[in-house]
Amino acid sequence: DGGITQSPKYLFRKEGQNVTLSCEQNLNHDAMYWYRQDPGQGLRLIYYSQIVNDFQKGDIAEGYSVSREKKESFPLTVTSAQKNPTAFYLCASSMTQGFRENTEAFFGQGTRLTVV
Amino acid sequence: AQKVTQAQTEISVVEKEDVTLDCVYETRDTTYYLFWYKQPPSGELVFLIRRNSFDEQNEISGRYSWNFQKSTSSFNFTITASQVVDSAVYFCALKTGNEKLTFGTGTRLTIIP
Repeated sequence: DGGITQSPKYLFRKEGQNVTLSCEQNLNHDAMYWYRQDPGQGLRLIYYSQIVNDFQKGDIAEGYSVSREKKESFPLTVTSAQKNPTAFYLCASSMTQGFRENTEAFFGQGTRLTVV
Repeated sequence: AQKVTQAQTEISVVEKEDVTLDCVYETRDTTYYLFWYKQPPSGELVFLIRRNSFDEQNEISGRYSWNFQKSTSSFNFTITASQVVDSAVYFCALKTGNEKLTFGTGTRLTIIP
């Protein structure tokens, strides 16, 4: 089945530790995204990538890092520099706009990170 | 810069009433895409509709309809004869030429039985 897989679903970490969230897609999409959602809040863009080996900062990139070494994978590292890391993290992928249709993003089921 | 504004934070209506969710966007791009997503309590986002900037035709899908007006930079979503299953958070989103996908803050819709 094609789709986006985020793992793990729940993640607990101690304050001061770096943690990496996994995101894998088998949809052959070029673009991938990471969002953060806080309780009762909207989705805020952390990083996005249009193509392998390239990525851009979103609106709240501070304290986060990403890599895009493979088309299928876009891991997100939450570093100790992120002051309030506890949140729900969503990964998404989409075709690029060279394709006029089917540019919508497909989302994973999310990872709920709790830092204690 | 690009921005999506959903001014309605929460809406509650009685079942079978019609309800409209507002979305206003900002972008300098002439080519862009607009989307609506639904987020049920499970948390996963469900895609509802896509519209590109060249197509202002309104669309109806069952009880759902969308009104896209470039003149007012709006892309509103109407649910007719609402049902309890429509209760969720709804997000409007904007995608521009550099593939940046920006979401609004969402509208929490509660349908009262």
